[in-house]
Order: sequence, then C-alpha cells, then structure tokens
Amino acid sequence: GNSVTQMEGPVTLSEEAFLTINCTYTATGYPSLFWYVQYPGEGLQLLLKATKADDKGSNKGFEATYRKETTSFHLEKGSVQVSDSAVYFCALSYYGQNFVFGPGTRLSVLP
Amino acid sequence: DTEVTQTPKHLVMGMTNKKSLKCEQHMGHRAMYWYKQKAKKPPELMFVYSYEKLSINESVPSRFSPECPNSSLLNLHLHALQPEDSALYLCASSQVMDRVTPEAFFGQGTRLTVV
Repeated sequence: GNSVTQMEGPVTLSEEAFLTINCTYTATGYPSLFWYVQYPGEGLQLLLKATKADDKGSNKGFEATYRKETTSFHLEKGSVQVSDSAVYFCALSYYGQNFVFGPGTRLSVLP
Repeated sequence: DTEVTQTPKHLVMGMTNKKSLKCEQHMGHRAMYWYKQKAKKPPELMFVYSYEKLSINESVPSRFSPECPNSSLLNLHLHALQPEDSALYLCASSQVMDRVTPEAFFGQGTRLTVV
C-alpha cells in the first residue's frame, strides 16, 4: 500500500539554522506530494505541494523538490525562525480522495 | 474566503450523550472529509464525501455518523462514545479534479473529550 516515512524528531535548532526534514514515500504511479504544518492547538495548513516529478514547491522560505528516482520530498529552509516551531507532516494523495500522512516531525526553534 | 469553519472548538460529553460536530466551507469545494487526530499522531481519515455522497468510510464504528446536508456543510453525529474516542476531530475540504490532486483545506478542529 501507499505510505509516507519521515523523521519523527523532535528536531531542535537554533534560530537562523538550516532546516532539513526528510520525507520518503512508497506508492504506485505518480502521487501528488504535500507538506502540511500544524501549529500548537490548530488545524493543518498547507505549506507547499508538488504534483509531478522534478516539481519544486515553495512557500514562506520553505522548499521541497519531488524526486521520483529517490521517492523523496525533503523539506528545507535556509534560516528558521522561532515562529517556525510546529509539527510538519509530509503527505501524498491520488486525485484528492485519500491523503496519506507521515507520522509528523516536531520542530522546536530556540532563540 | 479560504476558511473551513468548525464548531464547537471544544466539546466535553458523557458516554450516554448525543452531540454533533459541524463544519462549513464556502469555497465551492465538492469533496469534504472528517479526520481524527490523537495526540502526537498524524490525522487518520474517517469519511470522505464527494458531491454530497459518502464515498469513503474507513471502517469507522457506527457511533460516528456523518451527514452532508448540502455542498457547504458537513456534520458528524456522535452517540454513545467511549473515552478512547477523545481526540481532535478535523474537517477538510478540497476541489474534485481529474488527474490533478488539489490541496485540502483544514479547519481548526474540535477538541473532543469523552468522560
């Protein structure tokens, strides 16, 4: 079946550090890939997405590239802020009918 | 308007109570979802409605009863719940598109506690 694997953390970084959160997936065909972020006490917000191989999604300084050859969609940000502290979920979906989420990675950014 | 609104934000109910969770969106989305999220876990899909018809039921116990009265509203009726049903219940919506997966928009969730 389809699945998503990501580092669970917690990941603790100092402000302005470089962030990488790894995400790999198992799926047949060509799913769309997403990163969602969940701030404490809130629902999920879409951070970025990519719908085909070699697409790069970007938003708010975050980037991720759809790599079919390595079945990966790693999230990166060049300089994190305290306000980026949250849980980050990698997800895949076919035709929007069934999102499969990874376990989530908790990020803490210290001032 | 890119919001999915869920009410109430918090709900405490006894095991013999009947309550309902409500979800509303005005983005013209024709797919709506209920997810359950336990602490420190990812959301788990419960139900999917497509064009107001139930298209996916992930083997959810019958004490959870979804309803989609129109294209903007989604309800989740709760009856005879157990303490282990305590969780954050998330509603989401998305477009229904061929070949391309649109993103899902999530509400803030209802924090449910069963006592």
